[in-house]
Amino acid sequence: GAGVSQTPSNKVTEKGKYVELRCDPISGHTALYWYRQSLGQGPEFLIYFQGTGAADDSGLPNDRFFAVRPEGSVSTLKIQRTERGDSAVYLCASSIQGGNNSPLHFGNGTRLTVT
Amino acid sequence: GNSVTQMEGPVTLSEEAFLTINCTYTATGYPSLFWYVQYPGEGLQLLLKATKADDKGSNKGFEATYRKETTSFHLEKGSVQVSDSAVYFCALTETGANNLFFGTGTRLTVIP
Repeated sequence: GAGVSQTPSNKVTEKGKYVELRCDPISGHTALYWYRQSLGQGPEFLIYFQGTGAADDSGLPNDRFFAVRPEGSVSTLKIQRTERGDSAVYLCASSIQGGNNSPLHFGNGTRLTVT
Repeated sequence: GNSVTQMEGPVTLSEEAFLTINCTYTATGYPSLFWYVQYPGEGLQLLLKATKADDKGSNKGFEATYRKETTSFHLEKGSVQVSDSAVYFCALTETGANNLFFGTGTRLTVIP
């Protein structure tokens, strides 16, 4: 069946521009997560949605980062005034219900390059 | 705080060799422990997990035992195959938490 889909797979933008990254989770999964993976590092948590609401946004690095999930399925990660340090692979994951017993299914990620 | 330290790579082994990838952790409570794997061109996927001390997680011939006394969760496989070539991530989550803490990943290459 269809897994987690992320678009675009690659995005190159200039410093200062605004970008949106999209995630289509597995159908029926109520929990959705965004992670960021910098080169040579493991993924770092950004934000967690349970349904439409952001249940935990403690990983967002600053107020330039924002994410929405208005209908409880597709999510968009938005980055304003991008900086070169934002360059990374942004990973989306979904799970049936969240919590330790519900395994995460990851997408292939969006590679963001800020020039 | 929470953190995961795993063996730096890359690791190169011949087919049928024994594999160990070390992972140690620091946690404030009683975490669940995971190994995730990323095959070339694919997304991260759960390989195995253990939710309490002395539990052993196993899948696809891989095993890892949750050792509270040494705060470790080392990944082992008795005989690796070329198809095991991937990046392996150790991770933890605290009970009731929403996020995983990942190690930096270990790239394994198995040569025929």
